Amino acid sequence: AQSVTQPDIHITVSEGASLELRCNYSYGATPYLFWYVQSPGQGLQLLLKYFSGDTLVQGIKGFEAEFKRSQSSFNLRKPSVHWSDAAEYFCAVGSFMFSGGYNKLIFGAGTRLAVHP
Amino acid sequence: DVKVTQSSRYLVKRTGEKVFLECVQDMDHENMFWYRQDPGLGLRLIYFSYDVKMKEKGDIPEGYSVSREKKERFSLILESASTNQTSMYLCASSFGQASNNEQFFGPGTRLTVL
Repeated sequence: AQSVTQPDIHITVSEGASLELRCNYSYGATPYLFWYVQSPGQGLQLLLKYFSGDTLVQGIKGFEAEFKRSQSSFNLRKPSVHWSDAAEYFCAVGSFMFSGGYNKLIFGAGTRLAVHP
Repeated sequence: DVKVTQSSRYLVKRTGEKVFLECVQDMDHENMFWYRQDPGLGLRLIYFSYDVKMKEKGDIPEGYSVSREKKERFSLILESASTNQTSMYLCASSFGQASNNEQFFGPGTRLTVL
């Protein structure tokens, strides 16, 4: 069965430090992978997605992620964290629901990021 | 910009009440989704609709039903609310059939069942 694992429930970094959030997936075929961010009191916003091509994808707000098929990973990175990046981050994999090819997203449990000044 | 709105940000109901959560999107999206979000579990799909009057069960449909009478509106119904349905409910919409299409989310409704 398809699944997404985010090993880190909470991460705390200092402002200006680099960030890497881990995501591992289990999926039989080539996966469609997403990172979403949820700021306090808000819905989810798409940061970036991968479905083919270059394995390093750039997203909004200075985030990037690298798809590594051999490790079944899609880790999110940012070189210098800002206080406004404090939020919860969700990794997701797209999965076919039925023969029509509709996309069902399977989410990880999320990683809550705290940023120290 | 796509906008997905949900009728309430916070809702408090009593056990056994019938509860309606409403979601409206303004971008003519074919697909609409209802998720619940619980700490440590991420988002889990309750129901999905790919067209007016069409619906599909997600991973946790028990205790819920849905209605989609108009393309822009997707309602989640708790026929008889129970305390274990206390959660954050998120609505989303997306365009077309491509599996890599982005889902756009509403702000969520935090439901408390007493």
